[in-house]
Amino acid sequence: TAGITQAPTSQILAAGRSMTLRCTQDMRHNAMYWYRQDLGLGLRLIHYSNTAGTTGKGEVPDGYSVSRANTDDFPLTLASAVPSQTSVYFCASRGDRDGYTFGSGTRLTVV
Amino acid sequence: GENVEQHPSTLSVQEGDSAVIKCTYSDSASNYFPWYKQELGKRPQLIIDIRSNVGEKKDQRIAVTLNKTAKHFSLHITETQPEDSAVYFCAASASGGSYIPTFGRGTSLIVHP
Repeated sequence: TAGITQAPTSQILAAGRSMTLRCTQDMRHNAMYWYRQDLGLGLRLIHYSNTAGTTGKGEVPDGYSVSRANTDDFPLTLASAVPSQTSVYFCASRGDRDGYTFGSGTRLTVV
Repeated sequence: GENVEQHPSTLSVQEGDSAVIKCTYSDSASNYFPWYKQELGKRPQLIIDIRSNVGEKKDQRIAVTLNKTAKHFSLHITETQPEDSAVYFCAASASGGSYIPTFGRGTSLIVHP
């Protein structure tokens, strides 16, 4: 089934440790995004990529990095996790018809 | 940049009643307005969208209206059912290119049986 796959589904991470959240899509969408979702704050953009080889910063980029080596993959890395990064993370992609397709999310708890 | 305001933050209705969620936007360049539904523990999913060349779009019990002059758009759900209970997000963006969509903060809709 075409779509976006995120991994892991959930993770408990010790503060100070690093982690990469994986995101893969098979729809050949050029644009991909990472959002975090926190209660009462909606969806906040962390980083985005309009096409392979390019990335940009969103609303809340600090503490996160991304890469876009190819069209399908858009991993999000936390270099040194802090408790404020506890959140649900959604990867999304956008095709020519403009609507987002979201992944199923990664629930991250930093302790 | 674009600013999207969404109201109300919570909405409680009785089954069978109508529900209306409103969003305003600031950037006149925005021309694509999708709505997403997120059930508890699930991913947001696109339920309906509208482009700036039309004023209204319907899909069964849901409809979206757009007022470009006033820069606001609304989601209307008629004959609400308990399974409509979810968080709804509006968004605004320019079609195509590298324009980043801006989301509203969401409306938690509760439909009481």
